[in-house]
Amino acid sequence: DAGVTQSPTHLIKTRGQQVTLRCSPKSGHDTVSWYQQALGQGPQFIFQYYEEEERQRGNFPDRFSGHQFPNYSSELNVNALLLGDSALYLCASSFPGSSYEQYFGPGTRLTVT
Amino acid sequence: AQKVTQAQTEISVVEKEDVTLDCVYETRDTTYYLFWYKQPPSGELVFLIRRNSFDEQNEISGRYSWNFQKSTSSFNFTITASQVVDSAVYFCALSTLGYSGAGSYQLTFGKGTKLSVIP
Repeated sequence: DAGVTQSPTHLIKTRGQQVTLRCSPKSGHDTVSWYQQALGQGPQFIFQYYEEEERQRGNFPDRFSGHQFPNYSSELNVNALLLGDSALYLCASSFPGSSYEQYFGPGTRLTVT
Repeated sequence: AQKVTQAQTEISVVEKEDVTLDCVYETRDTTYYLFWYKQPPSGELVFLIRRNSFDEQNEISGRYSWNFQKSTSSFNFTITASQVVDSAVYFCALSTLGYSGAGSYQLTFGKGTKLSVIP
């Protein structure tokens, strides 16, 4: 049973560019949440997707947007990249009705130069 | 607003010593969940333990144990007989219902405690 998968593993982008990160949830999970983890910090909640809609959002600007597909996989898009967007981006999935317990993927490390 | 505080930034212990990681949380919710996650250098967050707000029973699971006290809003985690493989960053997290309700929970993490176990 595959766990949560994320792609790519690493990414280097230039300031001002746009980036798309991808996540496939664990089998049987329908809810996907995204977190940003800056170096030396704990993960910060970005948003959560359920039934292809953004259900919850943390304190992140509109430059951060997402999408969930009918197969429950999800994308995180970041526009107009800033140096401060450099971080590990973690995707987490959860069972239907049990989003209090989230299973995390290995993350995508984004470096903005 | 939810908040999780891990006052210990870094801890070093010698192998086989016991170590306790502290966590204090803040929430006005009456229903919430508390977690400990381990993050090795690879970056993936590994689930360790979970407790809900209605169950203050403290348990032991192998070398792990936890002490949940609602009166002091603390959820401390102990590793007994530490091993080098326990070296990692440990995060305490609080799961609460978000503003949209409807079963939508979000996790609030502390800043983590880096544990180094010296052989």
